[in-house]
Parts: sequence; C-alpha cells; structure tokens
Amino acid sequence: NAGVTQTPKFRVLKTGQSMTLLCAQDMNHEYMYWYRQDPGMGLRLIHYSVGEGTTAKGEVPDGYNVSRLKKQNFLLGLESAAPSQTSVYFCASSYGANEQFFGPGTRLTVL
Amino acid sequence: AQTVTQSQPEMSVQEAETVTLSCTYDTSENNYYLFWYKQPPSRQMILVIRQEAYKQQNATENRFSVNFQKAAKSFSLKISDSQLGDTAMYFCAFSAPGGADGLTFGKGTHLIIQP
Repeated sequence: NAGVTQTPKFRVLKTGQSMTLLCAQDMNHEYMYWYRQDPGMGLRLIHYSVGEGTTAKGEVPDGYNVSRLKKQNFLLGLESAAPSQTSVYFCASSYGANEQFFGPGTRLTVL
Repeated sequence: AQTVTQSQPEMSVQEAETVTLSCTYDTSENNYYLFWYKQPPSRQMILVIRQEAYKQQNATENRFSVNFQKAAKSFSLKISDSQLGDTAMYFCAFSAPGGADGLTFGKGTHLIIQP
C-alpha cells in the first residue's frame, strides 16, 4: 500500500516550457486535490476532483489544467510555465471530509 | 469563503514543556471539520489531530489535544511533554461539510523545540 505518490519529485523548467505532474493513489479514494505551497503562504488549492472524469477549480487555478481519466490518477499540467509557478506542489486524496492523505510533494523551479 | 488565521509565525520552547498553538477561523457553516497538520523538514504533511464541529468533546491524540471553542471560532493545539521530534511547521486547516472542495489552510506556525 503506497498511499499517495507523486512524479517527479524535482523538476527545473525554463519559462514557456510545459510539463505534467502525476499523482497516483491506491486507497480507492473518490476525492483528489492539487495544492501549491509557497513560503509563508501555507497550502492553497489549485484544482480538485470529486470522481473519475470530474474536475473543478480551487483558489488559484490560473495557468494550470487537470485531468482525472482514471480514479486512481490525477494529473496537473502547466502549458506554459512562468516563474510565478515556482513552488512545491502537493497532491492529496480523501474519502469525503475525512483526513486528506498527502503525497511527498514536487519541487518545481521555473527559470 | 472560509479563512483560517494562525497568528504565531514562530514559537520556541524547551524540551518537555507544554506549548499551545493558536488558530482562529471564519465560516458561516454550522457543520465542518478542523485539522492540525504537521510538516517536518522532510516536507511530508502528517495529520496530527482532527475535530468534528458537531462534537463538543475536545479531540485528543496521546500528547496532542485541542481546545475547540465553536462560538469563538477558535481551535488551538496543545502539545504536552514536547519532544525534539515535534520541531516542525504546524498548519491549521478547515474543511466544509462533504469535504469536496478541499482544505483551507492557515499560514502555519514554525515550532522549535530546544534541547
């Protein structure tokens, strides 16, 4: 039982490049989330999904897209990376309003 | 929209002392959930304790307990007999009923346990 895993753990991009972050969970959770963590800001919700094939915008969705084609996977895409997207990205999953289980995070630097 | 405020950016105490971290929140909901998460230098987010708003009894988990004051919208975390391994960032978080739209986090408190 791996819980929540994220790929990759680290990445450096140049401005304008694109990339996809992969989140996978093996707990059969319906709900999945993407957060970003910036210094002094806590975690902020980017997008979330309440089930396979559904997605919704969170607090800071601009510049990101997501997809949930399979229940266990939640992808976060950056189509044209900007320095303002330098951050640590966390994926989480949950069953309803219960505890959210977090992945180990991805540190992204955009130059 | 809900807001969560942690007014103590950093706290430092001696090992074995008791420390209390403050958290206040603002919501128009009557039923909701509150959480304290710990983030050590490893960056992993770890659930410390959880409180359901409809429960009057304060949650406890070993050395960790909360003081939940619903009317005052206050949710403080008390750590007893603090240990060096408690050194971490602590985040207070709010979840609306159903939990579908994620957690709202405070900005965190950096807790340092001195030997």
